[in-house]
Amino acid sequence: EDQVTQSPEALRLQEGESSSLNCSYTVSGLRGLFWYRQDPGKGPEFLFTLYSAGEEKEKERLKATLTKKESFLHITAPKPEDSATYLCAVQEGSGGSNYKLTFGKGTLLTVNP
Amino acid sequence: DVKVTQSSRYLVKRTGEKVFLECVQDMDHENMFWYRQDPGLGLRLIYFSYDVKMKEKGDIPEGYSVSREKKERFSLILESASTNQTSMYLCASSFSRVTLDEQYFGPGTRLTVT
Repeated sequence: EDQVTQSPEALRLQEGESSSLNCSYTVSGLRGLFWYRQDPGKGPEFLFTLYSAGEEKEKERLKATLTKKESFLHITAPKPEDSATYLCAVQEGSGGSNYKLTFGKGTLLTVNP
Repeated sequence: DVKVTQSSRYLVKRTGEKVFLECVQDMDHENMFWYRQDPGLGLRLIYFSYDVKMKEKGDIPEGYSVSREKKERFSLILESASTNQTSMYLCASSFSRVTLDEQYFGPGTRLTVT
């Protein structure tokens, strides 16, 4: 059973059409949840870290929120340059290594002009 | 800016060859990681290192080994390459094993084993 599940797998939006990406997790004792952006053929680029339920972070058109079971990445009025794969990763706080990330499979976002 | 570099962007090797992938970070990070990324499977951790000469297995270490002789350099070794090791390999680093820090990724090496 996957510990981190992202949905949808793919999302196609028109420029300016706001939407949200979901990341649900089942780890015990969440230490932190990370969002990354990955462009084709490149390594993931760090966006946000969220530590506790209720926390929100923003960067340009992106806003990340966190509850006890899931995180949302809200994209407001997206532009074509926001097209990328968005990855979610969690770090557990209990048991295991305290620096290991478990990644979801990502959401491929395409924004059409 | 943190910079993580990988020795090759593209690599083609034959089955049975010994393959070395190298990664260098320039920010004095303690932790370094090797992942592979495959369609439908996402990013999976192969090995990580939290200090010079220290290493721990990740989720899929079989068929791989690593070496960290200097703090800034972390090498991934495929002892005898096989076709199922064809993948995108990503190196990452993070600041400290004590604090919760984001990982910074290199550009990746796309390895094809024929």
